[in-house]
Amino acid sequence: QSVVTQPPSASGAPGQRVTISCSGSSSNIGGHTVNWYQQLPGTAPRLLIHSHNQRHSGVPDRFSGSKSGTSASLAISGLQSEDEADYFCAAWDDILNGYVFGTGTRVTVL
Amino acid sequence: QVQLQESGPGLVKPSETLSLICDVSDYSISSGYYWGWIRQPPGKGLEWIGSIHHSGSSYYNSSLKSRVTISVDTSKNQFSLKLSSVTAADTGVYYCARPRQNSDKACFAYWGQGTLVTVSS
Repeated sequence: QSVVTQPPSASGAPGQRVTISCSGSSSNIGGHTVNWYQQLPGTAPRLLIHSHNQRHSGVPDRFSGSKSGTSASLAISGLQSEDEADYFCAAWDDILNGYVFGTGTRVTVL
Repeated sequence: QVQLQESGPGLVKPSETLSLICDVSDYSISSGYYWGWIRQPPGKGLEWIGSIHHSGSSYYNSSLKSRVTISVDTSKNQFSLKLSSVTAADTGVYYCARPRQNSDKACFAYWGQGTLVTVSS
């Protein structure tokens, strides 16, 4: 089980805003930059957000990231059907001396 | 932009060694960056396996470290993963990837398509 936890699911209607939380500790999220990945069904993960809140190239501005203390959040505004996917946060962990992924959140567009 | 492609046996017997190769194109491994392996059991989340720099500097997931070897072959512009003493729990899709920046050990911006490895007799 991961040391970084996320809610297993989130949902929203098209056009709505969905927020996904990511909870860690001072050894990972609290002390390092947070990255967010999107994984569409049957495909490799795609980097969405790096350095807490910087969108990777080509990522729509509907996606935004933030961090406060040992927690981080990913917000998707103007939810679209193509946003239906699994989302993972990740950060380096000083105690494990390795990269840890969050448990993942499946976003469903109602 | 850099492209990565995993290859290797899709079926490995329990207790044997899983071996995968990641071919890198449109970028020379010897020019820099860490190069990583990540896996995903069926229906589950992502697990970082390890990252290696062409210079030899490496980091491994502590839970797998005793069984994992990641190496780089700059002459072939590829890097490889070996995981020994596999069990059914090692079944999953294995991805190779490269970080966004030269200074990153992770933060993977470029991914291979992944290859499914099943551990079964």
